[in-house]
Order: sequence, then C-alpha cells, then structure tokens
Amino acid sequence: EVQLVESGGGLVKSGGSLRLSCAASGFTFSSYSMNWVRQAPGKGLEWVSSISTVGNYIYYADSVRGRFTISRDNVKNSLHLQMNSLRAEDTAVYYCARGFGQILDYWGQGALVTVSS
Amino acid sequence: QSVLTQPPSVSAAPGQKVTISCSGSSSNIGTKYVSWYQQFPGTAPKLLIYDNNKRPSGIPDRFSGSKSGTSATLGITGLQTGDEADYYCGTWDNSLSGWVFGGGTKLTVL
Repeated sequence: EVQLVESGGGLVKSGGSLRLSCAASGFTFSSYSMNWVRQAPGKGLEWVSSISTVGNYIYYADSVRGRFTISRDNVKNSLHLQMNSLRAEDTAVYYCARGFGQILDYWGQGALVTVSS
Repeated sequence: QSVLTQPPSVSAAPGQKVTISCSGSSSNIGTKYVSWYQQFPGTAPKLLIYDNNKRPSGIPDRFSGSKSGTSATLGITGLQTGDEADYYCGTWDNSLSGWVFGGGTKLTVL
C-alpha cells in the first residue's frame, strides 16, 4: 500500500524557516517524481514544487522560488521542503504527492504550516 | 486567480447528472492530459480521473472525463449525497513549467 506521511509542520513567525518532510513507503520511491502542493485555509490547490526521480529536474512556483528548496533522499525514501523567509501568505496545508506521468496519483494527509505576522 | 477556470459551484438532485467544466489554454489542457481530484472537507485530494478519461481502480463508472481542445469536463451520473465534495481539475503547464489547477468546484447534492 502506497503511503505518504508528511511531518514538520507548525507555527512559525514571519521571516522564519521550517523544513517539511514526507516519508514514503509501499512503492519504489526512486522511480517516481515527487511534488509539493499546498492549500491555504478555505482556498483551492496551489502547486509549490516538483522534483524528478534523481533530482536533476526541479521546478518551483513563482511564489516560492528563491525561498523554498525541494530535495529528496532515495536511500531513505523521503522528500523534503526547506522553507525560508516565510510569509503570512505561505500559511497552508502542505501535501506531498507522487507523480506518475501527468498524474498526481497519491497524496499524503498534509502538514499544516502557520506563519504568524 | 487560477490558471484553469472552473465554476465555483454546481448542484443537482440525487440520481441526476452533473457536469463540471475546466477551461485552460494551449500551454496546458490543449497539449497535456487532464486529471480530476475529489476532496472532502478536512481530507487530502484523491485522484478521480487521469489522462482525460481514465478511472483509477476503485472509482465507479458513474464518474467520467472528457477533453476537447483547451477544455475538459468531469461528469457524474446517478448523484449520491456522498458525492458532495470539492472537485479540482489539474494538468502540467508547459509555459509555466509547473502544475496548474482549477479553483475548485463545490458539488451540492440537493
């Protein structure tokens, strides 16, 4: 069974940093691209970042480029999102999602990040 | 402002049919496969339709998808109260080099 479990969310002050992790199990992690998608309270889905299977292709949304860094560890089957210079508008539930072709086929339960101003 | 455009809400009676539209452009829907996601309050999105019209294992055939040009449509027949949820379309955008989603459509089964 595919499982994605996010951790590392919490309350942080504006300008602070936080590192999210996503532990993957139930599939060959190194064979899939991985993604972060966020959802602000009461709002829709917003893509944040994607990373290819070996990490040689990385993409960011304009809203986070230069502040967030996506990475993966194919030995530990984990995905990470280092978030720096956090802003109030980064407050959201952050989901990690497995990518397969042009599909986000499995999603974690989400980690809540709250940035206080 | 979402790159893909969906109606904010749709509604229909139990047993009826509803469609949800998703409009994009040549850099996304026009050249890429569309997927649809179902999200209940407080839970993670779940893949409902992929590659425009394919259903993952376990998704009933009451759910269908189609695409024409730069628009896609999700159809749900035999509506049930348990179908009340938010529905999102999504695809990759070549110009933005990233995933784009619709703003979401809230389905109410009256």
